Amino acid sequence: AQRVTQPEKLLSVFKGAPVELKCNYSYSGSPELFWYVQYSRQRLQLLLRHISRESIKGFTADLNKGETSFHLKKPFAQEEDSAMYYCALSGRGYQKVTFGTGTKLQVIP
Amino acid sequence: GAVVSQHPSWVICKSGTSVKIECRSLDFQATTMFWYRQFPKQSLMLMATSNEGSKATYEQGVEKDKFLINHASLTLSTLTVTSAHPEDSSFYICSARESRGGSYEQYFGPGTRLTVT
Repeated sequence: AQRVTQPEKLLSVFKGAPVELKCNYSYSGSPELFWYVQYSRQRLQLLLRHISRESIKGFTADLNKGETSFHLKKPFAQEEDSAMYYCALSGRGYQKVTFGTGTKLQVIP
Repeated sequence: GAVVSQHPSWVICKSGTSVKIECRSLDFQATTMFWYRQFPKQSLMLMATSNEGSKATYEQGVEKDKFLINHASLTLSTLTVTSAHPEDSSFYICSARESRGGSYEQYFGPGTRLTVT
C-alpha cells in the first residue's frame, strides 16, 4: 500500500522567512515523489518531481529514502507562494498517484 | 503546456437522476486518465483509472455500477454518476497522463462541482 502523510494542515510564515512543508511517505518499492500546488481558484498543477532534481519558483525538495521524506523547502517565502500544496507518490512507470491531505501555506505580508 | 478540460464545470441535479461528466485532453492523446473526488478542505481521493479501449480499474470502496467510466477515445473519458444521491455531492477532478519520451506527465482538469438535491 502507498501512503503520503502531510502533518500540517496550515503553515503560516512571514514574507521573507524560510518555508518547509513536510511530507513523509510509505511505499514498498522505489517511489516517484511529486509536489503539486493549487492556487486559489485554479486547477492543480505540478510544481516539481524528485527525479528532475530541479528548483521551481525557488522551491526544492530532496528525497530522503532513509527517513522516507520529501520535504518542500524555500529559503525566502513570497506572498504569491500562498496556496495549497500536495505531496504525492506513484510507483515506477507512473501509475496511480496517491496524494497527501495537503498543507495550506499562508505567507503573511 | 498540455490542457485538460472538464464539462460541465458545475451541475445541480435531483436525487435519483444520472449525471455525466466529460474529461478531454485538448492537445495531446491520453491512453490513461484518472478520476478523483475531493471533499471540501480534503485531499484528492483516486476513484478509478481509465484506460482507453478497456475497462476502468476502480479503487477499493468505489462502486463500479454507480460511477460508470467510459474511455472511448484517446482524448475523452466520461464519468457517469448513476442514481445520484446527496452524499454523491462533491468535487470531481480528472487528470490525463501524457507520455513523453519514456517519462510521463499528468495534467489536471479544473474539476466539476456536483450538487445533488
